[in-house]
Amino acid sequence: SQQGEEDPQALSIQEGENATMNCSYKTSINNLQWYRQNSGRGLVHLILIRSNEREKHSGRLRVTLDTSKKSSSLLITASRAADTASYFCAPRGGSNYKLTFGKGTLLTVNP
Amino acid sequence: NAGVTQTPKFQVLKTGQSMTLQCAQDMNHNSMYWYRQDPGMGLRLIYYSASEGTTDKGEVPNGYNVSRLNKREFSLRLESAAPSQTSVYFCASSEDFRSADTQYFGPGTRLTVL
Repeated sequence: SQQGEEDPQALSIQEGENATMNCSYKTSINNLQWYRQNSGRGLVHLILIRSNEREKHSGRLRVTLDTSKKSSSLLITASRAADTASYFCAPRGGSNYKLTFGKGTLLTVNP
Repeated sequence: NAGVTQTPKFQVLKTGQSMTLQCAQDMNHNSMYWYRQDPGMGLRLIYYSASEGTTDKGEVPNGYNVSRLNKREFSLRLESAAPSQTSVYFCASSEDFRSADTQYFGPGTRLTVL
């Protein structure tokens, strides 16, 4: 099944800095979604980018997609302590409608 | 509008005991899902229900059964709990399994099997 692999596994930055995390996948996709999970909570959908899109913005989030490299990146600008969470990508493609989550990137934003 | 709710929030079982995890959504979604999350393993799909009346196996279905009771409710049953089933269980829902849509997650059930 299609599964995203997030990189790095952990990232620690200071408040106000930008955070970039990456996702790689193996087969062609229809879309790719990013989710956030605060400690002890369920996942929350952040953004969806379709295979024919190269970049998408939502507030302080910027997602890019490079289908030729089978990779996506999530940029969080001007990070805040409240952005501390795990971030997961979920590529979705072909006839496999199921979302498959990787192990995530644990982002720590230090005040 | 509560979204996706799960009960119980915490549960401790002894090996061999059975229990049912309950999930309900109030968003009129067609599709519902059960995942488990283990440290360092990410989320793995146990079972899903693309629409009312249908259920299908996910990545790790062994040891579990599900029931799509109606459009709102999707339960997960452990018939004979094992320590390997110690995990955090998440229920999710989406408008339609086949469309490129968002999944909405519940708060999770933390299950410990002794």
